[in-house]
Amino acid sequence: QKEVEQDPGPLSVPEGAIVSLNCTYSNSAFQYFMWYRQYSRKGPELLMYTYSSGNKEDGRFTAQVDKSSKYISLFIRDSQPSDSATYLCAMETGANNLFFGTGTRLTVIP
Amino acid sequence: GAVVSQHPSRVICKSGTSVKIECRSLDFQATTMFWYRQFPKQSLMLMATSNEGSKATYEQGVEKDKFLINHASLTLSTLTVTSAHPEDSSFYICSGPGPGGGYTFGSGTRLTVV
Repeated sequence: QKEVEQDPGPLSVPEGAIVSLNCTYSNSAFQYFMWYRQYSRKGPELLMYTYSSGNKEDGRFTAQVDKSSKYISLFIRDSQPSDSATYLCAMETGANNLFFGTGTRLTVIP
Repeated sequence: GAVVSQHPSRVICKSGTSVKIECRSLDFQATTMFWYRQFPKQSLMLMATSNEGSKATYEQGVEKDKFLINHASLTLSTLTVTSAHPEDSSFYICSGPGPGGGYTFGSGTRLTVV
């Protein structure tokens, strides 16, 4: 079983839709949870960084962590064509050992 | 925010030659840098962890004599792909722990070995 599972998609939504991206994990020691956005042929860009369970909001982005279910989500409100990218979840225990999901490819259609 | 500058962004080299990739942390000091490899439509795979002033730690299956990592200062880490072969063609990305949490990635280097 992989440490982090993420549906690779692809996911296509119309502009303005709410996007829900999810990851599940198996290691209960993970404490730090991240979402990265990666445009084609570019390095990943950190979108959200959360510690432990709870919600975090930043503009149109909301990250949720449910440690009891080992499930994390990223919501994108009012999605825009510029949001089209691959979204990677990542997590670590705190010992500099980052584990990535496979990434979900999102396309927002104008 | 924290910035990691990675160069070159793209390189084409002949089989058997060596290629050096540099990563610099521009506005923070990084005692540790991570080097990843990414094949098309796949996630990032950690190759090695470079530590300032000491030897790098390589992941299982990564040849340390082929992928030479040097972390000479708190702001510079380099990856040298020695005697490159076509199967080494990939996207190489470095990252460092950002001062505010999370990790900051370089923009990546696309290596093509012909």
